[in-house]
Amino acid sequence: ETGVTQSPTHLIKTRGQQVTLRCSSQSGHNTVSWYQQALGQGPQFIFQYYREEENGRGNFPPRFSGLQFPNYSSELNVNALELDDSALYLCASSARPGQINEKLFFGSGTQLSVL
Amino acid sequence: AQKITQTQPGMFVQEKEAVTLDCTYDTSDPSYGLFWYKQPSSGEMIFLIYQGSYDQQNATEGRYSLNFQKARKSANLVISASQLGDSAMYFCAMREAQGGSNYKLTFGKGTLLTVNP
Repeated sequence: ETGVTQSPTHLIKTRGQQVTLRCSSQSGHNTVSWYQQALGQGPQFIFQYYREEENGRGNFPPRFSGLQFPNYSSELNVNALELDDSALYLCASSARPGQINEKLFFGSGTQLSVL
Repeated sequence: AQKITQTQPGMFVQEKEAVTLDCTYDTSDPSYGLFWYKQPSSGEMIFLIYQGSYDQQNATEGRYSLNFQKARKSANLVISASQLGDSAMYFCAMREAQGGSNYKLTFGKGTLLTVNP
């Protein structure tokens, strides 16, 4: 069973640029969520994709957008990068969206630094 | 108000001893789930244990147990017989059923556990 994989592991960008982060979900999982974890903080929910549609979004501006593909892999796109976007971006997959007891399986994250 | 509060930024424990990591939560939803995740320095969040709001008994998973006190809105993680590999950040998280929030986990700020030999 293949776990959640994310690429790249590290990325350095400058303010104003755009970035795309990628995630492959665990085998058999049809739902992908993205979280932002700033230094010293817990992860914050960005959005979730289920069957290629966004079905939940946190308090993030529209310059954070995503895609989910037919094979359930996903991308997170961030436009007009700001310094505060520097964080660890975590992708998580699950098989039963909306179930209270559904546990998320996380990747190791992409560390984004914005200079 | 914070939905998940972890008041211990850091904790130290001797190898083979037990340790309790505190978590309090705030919700008016009668149906919710509480999770604990471990995050080693590699960054990956690893699921440890789950407790549902309607579960009558405290959850246990191997060396991990959850001390669930519903009236006090607390869900403390107990790690028995600590091992050096337990050194990591530990996060408490909640999923609520109502208000369209059942798709997300809300995390606390975490507790850094260090196990000393």
